[in-house]
Amino acid sequence: QQPVQSPQAVILREGEDAVINCSSSKALYSVHWYRQKHGEAPVFLMILLKGGEQKGHDKISASFNEKKQQSSLYLTASQLSYSGTYFCGTEPGGSNYKLTFGKGTLLTVNP
Amino acid sequence: SAVISQKPSRDICQRGTSLTIQCQVDSQVTMMFWYRQQPGQSLTLIATANQGSEATYESGFVIDKFPISRPNLTFSTLTVSNMSPEDSSIYLCSVSLGNQPQHFGDGTRLSIL
Repeated sequence: QQPVQSPQAVILREGEDAVINCSSSKALYSVHWYRQKHGEAPVFLMILLKGGEQKGHDKISASFNEKKQQSSLYLTASQLSYSGTYFCGTEPGGSNYKLTFGKGTLLTVNP
Repeated sequence: SAVISQKPSRDICQRGTSLTIQCQVDSQVTMMFWYRQQPGQSLTLIATANQGSEATYESGFVIDKFPISRPNLTFSTLTVSNMSPEDSSIYLCSVSLGNQPQHFGDGTRLSIL
């Protein structure tokens, strides 16, 4: 079942923060976050495994709430290069390595 | 991470014809997947390409329409058969080492006239 992402779109000014959420109605083993720029392939950002861990990469971090089956991606002090569509991919409990992707969140960062 | 080469990068085809897309990886990988991404949409898994055995297809995708081969641990092909305009899409392969993240090829942009 496809995870639900929110918001669908967000517009920021450079330096502002954003949060993108990803919710599933199924028990999850992991959540994967990707960013895709127009005309390019999705690029892996980070993976979160069940256990409620939080990860960070530069000014982008994410959390996974296992009880709520919800993950959030935090973009801090956004840069122009952060613009793109962000997808979460969920892997169900049992870990079969297959991902189901949300519909995506279009992030636009303006100067 | 692995270097993934997908060919062709784009093509324009006539309806009723078939096109084979290749995915080559520069190192052995456990898992290879094929996705479809329609314009402005999310990524939809077509199938898992299994080395030495038949691919595992997701609901809504069948082998007759999307035959897949995976002769070894570095190469796979996806054929889009008897194409119609509804098959116009981006087709992406991804690879992973089992419990490692998936990494995507650049995709094949397919237009059907």
